[in-house]
Amino acid sequence: NAGVTQTPKFRILKIGQSMTLQCAQDMNHNYMYWYRQDPGMGLKLIYYSVGAGITDKGEVPNGYNVSRSTTEDFPLRLELAAPSQTSVYFCASSYQEGNSPLHFGNGTRLTVT
Amino acid sequence: AQKVTQAQTEISVVEKEDVTLDCVYETRDTTYYLFWYKQPPSGELVFLIRRNSFDEQNEISGRYSWNFQKSTSSFNFTITASQVVDSAVYFCALPGASFGGATNKLIFGTGTLLAVQP
Repeated sequence: NAGVTQTPKFRILKIGQSMTLQCAQDMNHNYMYWYRQDPGMGLKLIYYSVGAGITDKGEVPNGYNVSRSTTEDFPLRLELAAPSQTSVYFCASSYQEGNSPLHFGNGTRLTVT
Repeated sequence: AQKVTQAQTEISVVEKEDVTLDCVYETRDTTYYLFWYKQPPSGELVFLIRRNSFDEQNEISGRYSWNFQKSTSSFNFTITASQVVDSAVYFCALPGASFGGATNKLIFGTGTLLAVQP
């Protein structure tokens, strides 16, 4: 059972480039999330999804887009990379509403130069 | 508003010392859950515990214990006889605002870096 799988693990982008961070889970969870982690700042929610076809913004959505065409996949798109998007990105999923624990992927370390 | 405060940015202890990590929260909900996660140097986030606000009894799991006090809005985490392998960043978390009935959008504190020296 793989859990939550994120790819790639590392990426360096030039300013203005685009990329998609992939996230897949095999636990049949309805709820999926994207967080970013910056040093000393904890984790901030970028986008989340409560099921296929339903997404909504979190605390820091600017510069990102998401889609959720299947239960398993929740990709995060950066259209015009900026240095402020240098961060570690974590995808997570959870079984149900009502406070079940989040299962995290191993993260993607992104550097924009 | 929902908020989690971990005032201790870094803590350094010597192996076998006991250490307590503080977590203070604010919530407008009358019932809620609280969480602790561990992030070791390898970077992954590991779920440690979920606690329901109904239950204020202390929770113990091996060398780990959690003290939940609703009266002071605190959910502190104690490691007894710390070991080098306990070195990590520890996050306290609380569910944020509801959306369509879902209350699982966790708000994280800024974390406490625990360094256990041999």
